[in-house]
Amino acid sequence: ILNVEQSPQSLHVQEGDSTNFTCSFPSSNFYALHWYRWETAKSPEALFVMTLNGDEKKKGRISATLNTKEGYSYLYIKGSQPEDSATYLCAFISNFGNEKLTFGTGTRLTIIP
Amino acid sequence: ETGVTQTPRHLVMGMTNKKSLKCEQHLGHNAMYWYKQSAKKPLELMFVYSLEERVENNSVPSRFSPECPNSSHLFLHLHTLQPEDSALYLCASSQGHGRAGEQFFGPGTRLTVL
Repeated sequence: ILNVEQSPQSLHVQEGDSTNFTCSFPSSNFYALHWYRWETAKSPEALFVMTLNGDEKKKGRISATLNTKEGYSYLYIKGSQPEDSATYLCAFISNFGNEKLTFGTGTRLTIIP
Repeated sequence: ETGVTQTPRHLVMGMTNKKSLKCEQHLGHNAMYWYKQSAKKPLELMFVYSLEERVENNSVPSRFSPECPNSSHLFLHLHTLQPEDSALYLCASSQGHGRAGEQFFGPGTRLTVL
């Protein structure tokens, strides 16, 4: 059983502040890591697909880093806006087996206006 | 709008009922997935179809029966469910199972079993 953990479980951030949260995953048999944003009553939406150790990806005010040797990824949001309120999910893909996504339980982010 | 639609969005059924969930993708993808999300738990993969063939059955009870008649449509047939099967059921699609590519999700069906 693969263990993917996200912390914190929930987070309240003042509008305009920057924030970050963590996804931990097994450091062996790494294939890829996905980040998704899931707004209430909507579909989960892919943010990043990360495959290489040391990868840094950016989309607007959101960026992510990847450390496959120690088994973690950080998601950063700069200058939080109310529309950033969502649950952020990471999902790990192992290269051992059938390459299915194993999800964490998510970090629920609420931006306070 | 992700290009993946699911119907119905909400479903209430008794334990003796038979119902079906429908998923349709308009993205030209060749892999489709069913996920289950129960309260306080991560998304759990249930089934994977690649090129219309089932390639993954993640130890799902037989009261859940998937069907993939073509690459654009995926069904989940439900019969004699239990109250603990109440959950959000999400469909997703991707271009090519077994690669690192992102998955595109539908909005889900909220299922309540009485």
